[in-house]
Amino acid sequence: DGGITQSPKYLFRKEGQNVTLSCEQNLNHDAMYWYRQDPGQGLRLIYYSQIVNDFQKGDIAEGYSVSREKKESFPLTVTSAQKNPTAFYLCASSLGLQSSYNEQFFGPGTRLTVL
Amino acid sequence: DAKTTQPTSMDCAEGRAANLPCNHSTISGNEYVYWYRQIHSQGPQYIIHGLKNNETNEMASLIITEDRKSSTLILPHATLRDTAVYYCIVRGANAGNNRKLIWGLGTSLAVNP
Repeated sequence: DGGITQSPKYLFRKEGQNVTLSCEQNLNHDAMYWYRQDPGQGLRLIYYSQIVNDFQKGDIAEGYSVSREKKESFPLTVTSAQKNPTAFYLCASSLGLQSSYNEQFFGPGTRLTVL
Repeated sequence: DAKTTQPTSMDCAEGRAANLPCNHSTISGNEYVYWYRQIHSQGPQYIIHGLKNNETNEMASLIITEDRKSSTLILPHATLRDTAVYYCIVRGANAGNNRKLIWGLGTSLAVNP
């Protein structure tokens, strides 16, 4: 089955520790995205990548880092510099630049709790 | 990208049509209207999108007014599994807007037995 996987579904970390969230897609999509969602809020864009080895900051990139070494993978690191890291993190992908419209496909999400 | 306004919540009886409105009065000519939904604690799911004409797929119908300032998502026979938050988003068709889906708070739809 084609799709996006995120692991783990729930993640607990101590304050001050960096943590990396996994996102993998087998849809052959060029573009990938990371969003953050807080309770009762809409999604906010953290980082996005339109092509391998390239990525851009979204609206709330401070305290986060990403890499895009492979088309299929777009891991997100939540660093100790992120002041409020506890949230629901969503990864998405889309066809990218070659598509004039841009349906995004989402993974199931990772709920990160920092204790 | 144009902003959208949606009611905070709606109720619908199971088996009846659910009509979810969205206002996007500042939409420009090349901006599409997208609808996604998010079931609790899951990732959002694409439903449908349109530019000017009404659209229908296996999930829903999208009715866009002639002036494009508002639209309605119709779930023709709502089931309990349609209980979710529904997001209406407008975005441009240009590649430069690739990243920009601006998410509001959506409409929380409760389908009741």
